[in-house]
This record gives sequence, C-alpha cells and structure tokens, in this order.
Amino acid sequence: QITLKESGPTLVKPTQTLTLTCTFSGFSLTTSGVGVGWIRQPPGKALEWLALIYWDDDKRYSPSLKSRLTITKVTSKSQVLLTMTNMDPVDTATYYCAHRDQLERPLAVDIWGQGTLVTVSS
Amino acid sequence: QSALTQPPSASGSPGQSVTISCTGTSSDVGGYNYVSWYQQHPGKAPKLMIYEVTKRPSGVPDRFSGSKSGNTASLTVSGLQAEDEAVYYCDSYSGSSNFGVFGGGTKLTVL
Repeated sequence: QITLKESGPTLVKPTQTLTLTCTFSGFSLTTSGVGVGWIRQPPGKALEWLALIYWDDDKRYSPSLKSRLTITKVTSKSQVLLTMTNMDPVDTATYYCAHRDQLERPLAVDIWGQGTLVTVSS
Repeated sequence: QSALTQPPSASGSPGQSVTISCTGTSSDVGGYNYVSWYQQHPGKAPKLMIYEVTKRPSGVPDRFSGSKSGNTASLTVSGLQAEDEAVYYCDSYSGSSNFGVFGGGTKLTVL
C-alpha cells in the first residue's frame, strides 16, 4: 500500500524559506517510471503544480515559480524535499505530496498525501 | 502557461448525466492524450478518476467516463449519485512547459 505524508512548519514569516518533507512508503524512488511531486491549493482555490522529481533525478518545475523552488530526493530515507524561497502571504495554501507512476498511469497522480496547511504571516 | 478553463459549476438531479468541460490549447489538451480528472470532496485530498483522457483506475465506478475533442476534454458522470457532489479538476500535460497544468475546478452539485 502506497502512502505519502507531508511534514513541515505550519506557519512561516514573509521572506522566509519554506522546507517541506514528503515521507513515503510502499514504493521506491529508484524504480523506473516513479515520480514524486508537490501540488498546492490556496484556501478555496484551485490546485497548482509546483515541482516533480523522477526516479532518474529528472526534475520539473512550475515555470512561474521555478526561480523559488528546489526539489530533491533522499532515497535512503524515502523522502522528497521541497524548498520555496521568499515566502509571501499569497503562498498560504495546503501543500500536497503526490505519487506518479509513468509506466502504470502516465502523467497522472494516482496517490495523494493528506496535505499540510502552510500559513504565511508575520 | 495558463490554467485550463473549466466552468465554475455544474449540476444535475440523481440519476441524470452531467458533463464537465476542460478547455486548453493545442500545446496541452489538444496536443497530447494526457488529460487526468480528479474528484475532491471538502477537506479531502483529490482522488484520481480518469487518466490518459479515457482510462479509469480500478475502483472508480464506470459511471465516470472521459473524452476529448480538439482542445477540449470532458468528464461525464452518468447516473448521478449524492456522493458525486464534489469539485472536479482536470489536469493536462503541457508541451510548452514540459510540465502539468490544472483547470480552475468545477463544483458539481447533485440537486
């Protein structure tokens, strides 16, 4: 059974850097075709892709946020980290971790984490 | 890279069918067969309902179906049930960004 869980601060101040951790189980990020991504959702608003990393360390970023984002994987710990610099109140959102298997369900997110709400406020 | 266009709301009575559209461009929806649909109930994480335009993951009722024509993809829910009331999001691969793009979401109300 695949599970993902997000962790990190619930409150950050403007201009600070946010680091979120996705800890997963039930699969390995060394398996061909597998990817883990981050998606966010401001309160009452739509989903937005942020970043995604594949088993071969291929990384994809939202074009509009690319300069602020870094995604990395720690395979030995079954974790994927997302850092977002220069946080602003508009970045207040629920941040979801997501599993993708390019071989089974290409370019779809088949398993989602529960999400973690991050509030940006001074 | 603009979000895909979805109607903000849709509705239908139990037992009826409803179709939700998702309009993009030839660089995303129209150019690739990589459209997914997600269902999100209040306070919950989204759930994959359709991938690769028409395919259903195991466990998703066959009342849910997907299609595409040109730059517009569609999700049809047949035999509406109360539990289908949720927000539905489409997602497509975008060749211009080599990444994904979501729609703005459609709130489906079962009358």
